[in-house]
Amino acid sequence: GAVVSQHPSRVICKSGTSVKIECRSLDFQATTMFWYRQFPKKSLMLMATSNEGSKATYEQGVEKDKFLINHASLTLSTLTVTSAHPEDSSFYICSARATPGQATGETQYFGPGTRLLVL
Amino acid sequence: GNSVTQMEGPVTLSEEAFLTINCTYTATGYPSLFWYVQYPGEGLQLLLKATKADDKGSNKGFEATYRKETTSFHLEKGSVQVSDSAVYFCALRRMNSGYSTLTFGKGTMLLVSP
Repeated sequence: GAVVSQHPSRVICKSGTSVKIECRSLDFQATTMFWYRQFPKKSLMLMATSNEGSKATYEQGVEKDKFLINHASLTLSTLTVTSAHPEDSSFYICSARATPGQATGETQYFGPGTRLLVL
Repeated sequence: GNSVTQMEGPVTLSEEAFLTINCTYTATGYPSLFWYVQYPGEGLQLLLKATKADDKGSNKGFEATYRKETTSFHLEKGSVQVSDSAVYFCALRRMNSGYSTLTFGKGTMLLVSP
């Protein structure tokens, strides 16, 4: 089946540094990728939606200069948390949706998540 | 706006017990409804879905019926197994600027003991 990977699985960084998280669709082409943030005992919060080759669309309240998203190819999207602070510590999850017309259809496939801890 | 409310966990059951995880939603229009499952250390996986009122989604012994009159999509399984221990997320799909996005509930952890 369709597999989405994320790297790294967990990262610890110092306050003020930037962290890049990769999301890859391993066996299908993903026209659209989504980035979510999950707080403890909370639902997944959609941060942004990115379509390959175009700018990401951010949800209300999400700072686009803080969370840089690049979707340069049909199999890779990156989320960069710039000048990270302790309040950015969270679990970040990506998902990917296949190109319309492929067998995987409208289904979103999720990565295993990345745990970010900012000290 | 759109939202999903599901019962707080953890839900703790013995093997072969009957499972119900409640989910209700608020949405404009006619959303599609989903249940996702997240096993420890893994990403979310689609468990089942229903796209219109009175549809029943089913998979791996789990089922849920789209009830528009009660705006609910409760997840049920007749006999749970230890391997069903996971976090279950109810979600609805909405249109956003021409494409669809998912809105999730908070998740309900299920713990099944032998």
